[in-house]
Amino acid sequence: GAGVSQTPSNKVTEKGKYVELRCDPISGHTALYWYRQSLGQGPEFLIYFQGTGAADDSGLPNDRFFAVRPEGSVSTLKIQRTERGDSAVYLCASSLLTGELFFGEGSRLTVL
Amino acid sequence: GQNIDQPTEMTATEGAIVQINCTYQTSGFNGLFWYQQHAGEAPTFLSYNVLDGLEEKGRFSSFLSRSKGYSYLLLKELQMKDSASYLCAVRSDDYKLSFGAGTTVTVRA
Repeated sequence: GAGVSQTPSNKVTEKGKYVELRCDPISGHTALYWYRQSLGQGPEFLIYFQGTGAADDSGLPNDRFFAVRPEGSVSTLKIQRTERGDSAVYLCASSLLTGELFFGEGSRLTVL
Repeated sequence: GQNIDQPTEMTATEGAIVQINCTYQTSGFNGLFWYQQHAGEAPTFLSYNVLDGLEEKGRFSSFLSRSKGYSYLLLKELQMKDSASYLCAVRSDDYKLSFGAGTTVTVRA
């Protein structure tokens, strides 16, 4: 597609459940970023991939969060044992190494 | 890491000019970005500065002083559609991009 695609757009789950969020970047973009955004706040950095490897995962809040990008294109953010505090919009963005980031529309996660 | 500060809110009148300041501290600087985000939507790219000075793009301009750790975004001839959050973001040497909390600009008729 022409832009960054994220699925699902909305996810409602129960506390303790496992969730996967998918990001399909712009074709040819080598860099892929995951951010989390709560209402009234700026995007909070989670993890950044360059190709298949995680170049920086310092923003992942704890070991319940994990992300993969096995073929250097699509990425999946995985959250285990979800907690109510995980509720937020999860944004994915892609770029060429030195270019600006292009964002997807986000996945809104609600943990009940 | 990065520490990025910008005002929380600003209000201005349609047709006026507003300047949004951003100060930052970073261990390694590799460019500063400004993004616009309307409520419920994804951020969209506005401008990029990596060298000192002013970059002009239509009604929007952005300025950078690396020695002062300072940037501003200037919005001229404000329109109602410019009501949005404006995000300052700093890229470090390893290409990690960190965002400030955003400045909500409200344009009044």
